[in-house]
Amino acid sequence: DGGITQSPKYLFRKEGQNVTLSCEQNLNHDAMYWYRQDPGQGLRLIYYSQIVNDFQKGDIAEGYSVSREKKESFPLTVTSAQKNPTAFYLCASSPHGGGGETQYFGPGTRLLVL
Amino acid sequence: GENVEQHPSTLSVQEGDSAVIKCTYSDSASNYFPWYKQELGKRPQLIIDIRSNVGEKKDQRIAVTLNKTAKHFSLHITETQPEDSAVYFCAASIKENTGFQKLVFGTGTRLLVSP
Repeated sequence: DGGITQSPKYLFRKEGQNVTLSCEQNLNHDAMYWYRQDPGQGLRLIYYSQIVNDFQKGDIAEGYSVSREKKESFPLTVTSAQKNPTAFYLCASSPHGGGGETQYFGPGTRLLVL
Repeated sequence: GENVEQHPSTLSVQEGDSAVIKCTYSDSASNYFPWYKQELGKRPQLIIDIRSNVGEKKDQRIAVTLNKTAKHFSLHITETQPEDSAVYFCAASIKENTGFQKLVFGTGTRLLVSP
């Protein structure tokens, strides 16, 4: 998991503002994921990408957008349409996204609304 | 729909006791069941996993059992230590229509081990 980095550690968003969370991995993994973690709700999948230039919506994609222009990078944008963005955001990666793979997590970004 | 239920939500034990956390899943096609440990403010870290072709797996003080018929799996920690205190998440793999496998997570168990 040391091969996945996220930045910033803390991020503050003003009303109506879009913010972008960075996720980089040097594990040569094909698949990358974004999760949102709220207290008492576990991890919920926002978006995932199995290969470069392809990504799919997860269970709670509304108000979020992603891109996958490079294998190493999977940035997440929290748009102004996301009305309750305060949460801990975790990025993860796995070798291929196929059957039964371990996912390795980044250190997370805590997003707070001003 | 896809669902993983986890119990209990909190668990307090004395050092040296055993702790058991249980999860149930809804998709009979699920074939991969990892357990993650998350310390406060840190990333989840894999502690053990099991695949559907085995019923039990053990790694030192940690073991996981799987009952495919009943669709439930459990984490067992023996001889608990204060450093085992953390939130533990179970997960089950779910196959999308595209063939891609995602993980669905339980809501977590906060384990507190008192010295």
